[in-house]
Amino acid sequence: RKEVEQDPGPFNVPEGATVAFNCTYSNSASQSFFWYRQDCRKEPKLLMSVYSSGNEDGRFTAQLNRASQYISLLIRDSKLSDSATYLCVVNNRGGNTGFQKLVFGTGTRLLVSP
Amino acid sequence: GAVVSQHPSRVICKSGTSVKIECRSLDFQATTMFWYRQFPKKSLMLMATSNEGSKATYEQGVEKDKFLINHASLTLSTLTVTSAHPEDSSFYICSARGTAWNGYTFGSGTRLTVV
Repeated sequence: RKEVEQDPGPFNVPEGATVAFNCTYSNSASQSFFWYRQDCRKEPKLLMSVYSSGNEDGRFTAQLNRASQYISLLIRDSKLSDSATYLCVVNNRGGNTGFQKLVFGTGTRLLVSP
Repeated sequence: GAVVSQHPSRVICKSGTSVKIECRSLDFQATTMFWYRQFPKKSLMLMATSNEGSKATYEQGVEKDKFLINHASLTLSTLTVTSAHPEDSSFYICSARGTAWNGYTFGSGTRLTVV
């Protein structure tokens, strides 16, 4: 089982639509959680951290359910510029080394059309 | 703040040659550097973690003699792909953490094509 699982999509939505992405993670000891955005052939960029209490940043809302090991991202009023791949990321402590490290999902591709 | 400069952004090399990729933290001290590889339509996979002045710790399945990592200073880490083969063609990205803050800063990536 992958450490972080996401539906690869693509999700094709019209401008103005609301779209939701889900992610599950396998390590119950995961310490922190993020959504990153990656544009084609570019490095990933932090979109937002995810907390159990839920957090919102403009049109973006993220939620964490630790009991279910489930993370979500909701995008409201989609813009053309939201087209990208959204990566679900967890921060784990490495087994042998104790180092913290980011573990990435494969990403969910979003295509917003006019 | 917290900028990581990675270069080259793109490199094409012949099979059997070696390629060096550099990542520099421009405005902070990168105590830990992470090197990732991403194949098309796949997730970023961590290759190794290095702390300044220490040997890198490699993930399972990553050949340490093939992917040489040097993190000799708090602002520079290098990844050398030795005796490159076409299957090493990939997108390589570094990420740094410093002591002053708890986030991860990514370099802009290097697209390696081995012909």
